Amino acid sequence: QVQLQESGPGLVRPSETLSLICAVSGDSMSPYYWSWIRQSPGKGLEWIGYISTRGSGTTNYNPSLKTRVTISWDTSKSHFSLTLTSVAASDTAVYYCARHWGYGGASRGFDSWGQGIQVTVSS
Amino acid sequence: DIQMTQSPSSLSASVGDTITITCRASESVSNYLHWYQQRPGAAPKLLIYGATTLESGVPSRFSGSESGTDFSLTISSLQPTDFATYYCQQTYGFPWTFGQGTRVDIK
Repeated sequence: QVQLQESGPGLVRPSETLSLICAVSGDSMSPYYWSWIRQSPGKGLEWIGYISTRGSGTTNYNPSLKTRVTISWDTSKSHFSLTLTSVAASDTAVYYCARHWGYGGASRGFDSWGQGIQVTVSS
Repeated sequence: DIQMTQSPSSLSASVGDTITITCRASESVSNYLHWYQQRPGAAPKLLIYGATTLESGVPSRFSGSESGTDFSLTISSLQPTDFATYYCQQTYGFPWTFGQGTRVDIK
């Protein structure tokens, strides 16, 4: 059974870059899609973006974050990562990674999630 | 963005009750509609995908239905473990979006 585990700093200073890793174990990363989602009291659940392990690693980002987000995939280490630049207090949230697949990338929902990591943006 | 509106935002129920949560999409999402359960301090858990298909391992007291852009999650014979927050999600149009959640607590 696949397991996902987020890791990274719990505190990031305003204007700096947030970097998180999602380690995947128990199954291959291919041929699935892998997303980052965040949850905050003010905004609820927000999908950040995904990376596909098909072909050349296609990405798709939420337009609200597109200018600041990069999701990448390390095939040799079985993990994928999130980079969010120029963070502000509004980026404070619990960040989750999740797996999905199916037609269009997620016709079967997000079937496996990491436990989440709290990230606070504060000086 | 496709807006997903859940109702009610919260409800109180007793063990053994049957409850229904609804989710309305602001435009067509076909059947790319999924339901999740989230307990406090935990990640969301997939219950139903494709509007009506039960995820493997999920008890059969959970069921989903659809009518156009209106979707429903029904929980029959509520169990103590079912008191949680439920979210709908559409993965039809980008960006993928979630409903605001429905909290189910014990009456």
